[in-house]
Amino acid sequence: DAGITQSPRHKVTETGTPVTLRCHQTENHRYMYWYRQDPGHGLRLIHYSYGVKDTDKGEVSDGYSVSRSKTEDFLLTLESATSSQTSVYFCAITKAGGRYNEQFFGPGTRLTVL
Amino acid sequence: GENVEQHPSTLSVQEGDSAVIKCTYSDSASNYFPWYKQELGKGPQLIIDIRSNVGEKKDQRIAVTLNKTAKHFSLHITETQPEDSAVYFCAASIRSNFGNEKLTFGTGTRLTIIP
Repeated sequence: DAGITQSPRHKVTETGTPVTLRCHQTENHRYMYWYRQDPGHGLRLIHYSYGVKDTDKGEVSDGYSVSRSKTEDFLLTLESATSSQTSVYFCAITKAGGRYNEQFFGPGTRLTVL
Repeated sequence: GENVEQHPSTLSVQEGDSAVIKCTYSDSASNYFPWYKQELGKGPQLIIDIRSNVGEKKDQRIAVTLNKTAKHFSLHITETQPEDSAVYFCAASIRSNFGNEKLTFGTGTRLTIIP
């Protein structure tokens, strides 16, 4: 499982409330990612980080912000959750130094916005 | 940006037969093509990948082929077994300026192996 944990694993919240999802890794990997998975869309990249305090946008970044204050934690924040952000969120890491910088995924967080 | 199309969306195969899943991509700069298997309630798991300088790669019962000219790549599973039942995703990647791969995924294929 590449030493990745996500918390919480399930969350139900109401429209307009802030939500923060946490990704924690134990193996000191440089690159971390947040994806969302929706039926009919596969996985779509929200944001990624290439180091502490270094982040960049993915293809569906609107409505999301991220922070990485230390190597092991990558936080995804929905400032004001909307029903369209109901999804399963996956964190991933790249094992830099591997053959082709393969990405490995965490177990996911199921978020429901009512 | 990159666009990846994946077909079929569902596939049922008799146990022991072969399964083939096909993907096309749009950006000729893509140079890394991983395949992931996702079981119910779990995160995607990397099963095989291929670089653009290679036409075919095999790992036991699974193989991937890549046609750069046509911009398509395929996953082949031979001698299918019940544990192969899952959702499979293809992806295409471009190396970012920061040294990592930015993946664009297909929409997935639900593979069911019929005993």
